[in-house]
Amino acid sequence: QSALTQPASVSGSPGQSITSSCTGTSSDVGNYNLVSWYQHHPGKAPKLIIYEVNKRPSGVSNRFSGSKSGNTASLTISGVQAEDEADYYCCSYAGSDTFIFGGGTKLTVL
Amino acid sequence: EVQLVESGGGLVQPGGSLRLSCAASGFTFSTHWMYWVRQVPGKGLVWVSRINSDGSSTTYADSVKGRFTISRDNAKNTLYLQMNSLRAEDTAVYYCARAGYNSGWHYFEYWGQGTLVTVSS
Repeated sequence: QSALTQPASVSGSPGQSITSSCTGTSSDVGNYNLVSWYQHHPGKAPKLIIYEVNKRPSGVSNRFSGSKSGNTASLTISGVQAEDEADYYCCSYAGSDTFIFGGGTKLTVL
Repeated sequence: EVQLVESGGGLVQPGGSLRLSCAASGFTFSTHWMYWVRQVPGKGLVWVSRINSDGSSTTYADSVKGRFTISRDNAKNTLYLQMNSLRAEDTAVYYCARAGYNSGWHYFEYWGQGTLVTVSS
């Protein structure tokens, strides 16, 4: 199974909103409302920021939101801040207790 | 506070074996599914394996099936990954993660900081 498709990079100035996509297939993203997103600062533990497409864990800023349409999920960060600069990974349940991640998107805050 | 601490990584020759451990604390380990995820340096995250709460059910990515074995010791609050017949392409940072539950065990709620496995002669 190939990785979900994410843009290699996105960028935005502080205060701007950015949206990053995550494209899969009808066997994963399109078949389940079970997409999650992770923020990863290199050298640190990845952090869950969105689960089940659009749910935010307790303690995660409401600047992070998720959505899905067909085989594509999206992560939006409103009012980007310097500390948001990190790698972002989407992940989808793919059936039979298996998962598939995206290749990751590097967010640069200009 | 949930803590997951991986150990056991290191340098191993192709064809060799290694056992990773993940010590869990701050939650009731025996009630949570657990996962292993890896990341080749400079590349993305890849799901490796999952185990249910009592260890009776496991699943593997095709790339490691038949070579890796996930297990757990709930009395010791520890997750394991036995890696045999290692290949150069298994070189990666290996993370353990605790599953989160809502409508099912479908996301990775907490992660450790990872342990590096290098397969090289």
